Amino acid sequence: AQKVTQAQTEISVVEKEDVTLDCVYETRDTTYYLFWYKQPPSGELVFLIRRNSFDEQNEISGRYSWNFQKSTSSFNFTITASQVVDSAVYFCALSDPAYNTDKLIFGTGTRLQVFP
Amino acid sequence: DAGITQSPRYKITETGRQVTLMCHQTWSHSYMFWYRQDLGHGLRLIYYSAAADITDKGEVPDGYVVSRSKTENFPLTLESATRSQTSVYFCASSELAGGLGTQYFGPGTRLTVL
Repeated sequence: AQKVTQAQTEISVVEKEDVTLDCVYETRDTTYYLFWYKQPPSGELVFLIRRNSFDEQNEISGRYSWNFQKSTSSFNFTITASQVVDSAVYFCALSDPAYNTDKLIFGTGTRLQVFP
Repeated sequence: DAGITQSPRYKITETGRQVTLMCHQTWSHSYMFWYRQDLGHGLRLIYYSAAADITDKGEVPDGYVVSRSKTENFPLTLESATRSQTSVYFCASSELAGGLGTQYFGPGTRLTVL
């Protein structure tokens, strides 16, 4: 069965600290896609990244970076030099075309609080 | 403005009443989705649609009805609202499915059933 686990319910850091949000997934297929979304206090869901299972290169976008490791079924998200504006709930999600064609399976989210 | 919109943004209703949540997108995306967000559950798929007049159940469809007569609209109806349907509802759309496309979300509708 498909499953996404975000074991960290809540993380608190002080500004400028680096923080890593963990995402572990389960799927039975070799072709799948992983996503991260950000939900700031205003409530909307903002797309951050999409990664397919054949691309294991790490990605960096400004202060954000993602580490994809198929061997451990993990797709972790790191924020470098965190800022107060990074405070949000972050969701990891999985899409497995062979299992349920059009759907995203979300983790339960990690709430990140960045204090000044 | 282009994008995906939801209305109303906030709704309070009573048990047993029918409620319809609206979703409209201007991208002409084929795929549209309805999710509910509850504490401890993340987002769960209610219904989705691959095209006009094509809909299918998601993880938690009971008590909900959808229709899609036009590509750009995907209303969600609670036929007889229950307190357990108090939640935040998100609509999303994507051009492609199966992870090939990215789902973009509307701003959400906060529904309270008294």
